[in-house]
Amino acid sequence: NAGVTQTPKFQVLKTGQSMTLQCAQDMNHEYMSWYRQDPGMGLRLIHYSVGAGITDQGEVPNGYNVSRSTTEDFPLRLLSAAPSQTSVYFCASSYSQTGTGTEAFFGQGTRLTVV
Amino acid sequence: QQQVKQSPQSLIVQKGGISIINCAYENTAFDYFPWYQQFPGKGPALLIAIRPDVSEKKEGRFTISFNKSAKQFSLHIMDSQPGDSATYFCAVGGATNKLIFGTGTLLAVQP
Repeated sequence: NAGVTQTPKFQVLKTGQSMTLQCAQDMNHEYMSWYRQDPGMGLRLIHYSVGAGITDQGEVPNGYNVSRSTTEDFPLRLLSAAPSQTSVYFCASSYSQTGTGTEAFFGQGTRLTVV
Repeated sequence: QQQVKQSPQSLIVQKGGISIINCAYENTAFDYFPWYQQFPGKGPALLIAIRPDVSEKKEGRFTISFNKSAKQFSLHIMDSQPGDSATYFCAVGGATNKLIFGTGTLLAVQP
C-alpha cells in the first residue's frame, strides 16, 4: 500500500495562474480532506469529502475548488493563485463516513509558493 | 473563530522530563480527541486518541488526560527523549464530520 500520495511535492506559481494539486489514496477510505499549514496557524481545513460525489467546505475554502468523482482521488484546484496561498498543503484520508472519529492518514505534503 | 486553542506554542524540556501540552475546545458536539505528531518535512501522524467516555488514556510514555466539563484535554509525555522533538497538534472531530486542528506546539527535548 502506498497510503496517501500527493503530487507535486514542490511547485512555484505566478500570481493569477491556476493549478491542481493531486491526492490519491489506496486504502478505500471514504473520508478525504485538504489542509493548509502555515506558521503559527496550525493545520486549517480547506475542503473535505465524506464519499464520492459529496464535498463540503472547511474553515478556509475561498480560492479553492474540489471534486470527488472516485473514492481514490480528491484533487484540489487553485483557480487564480495569490501570494496568500503560499503554504504547505496536506491531503488526508480516513476510514469511515464519520471518518473524523478514526485515524487520519496524511500525505507528504505539497509546498506551494506563489510569486 | 478558533475552535481549538492549543498551548504552549513552543516548549523546551530536558531529557527525562515531562512534556505537557494543553488544548481547549468550544463545541460540545466533538467526540473524538486525537493528538498528532509531525516531524520536519513529513505529514502529521496519529500519536494517541481518546473518546469522551474515559478521562485518561495511556500508551507507553504518552498519556491523554480529558476533562469533559472543562472542555479541555492534554498530552503528557513522560521521560521525554530527544527523538520526541517534533511539532504536536491536538485535534477535535467526530460527528461533525470535520477534523479541526490546534495551532501546534513545537517541542524540543534537550539531551
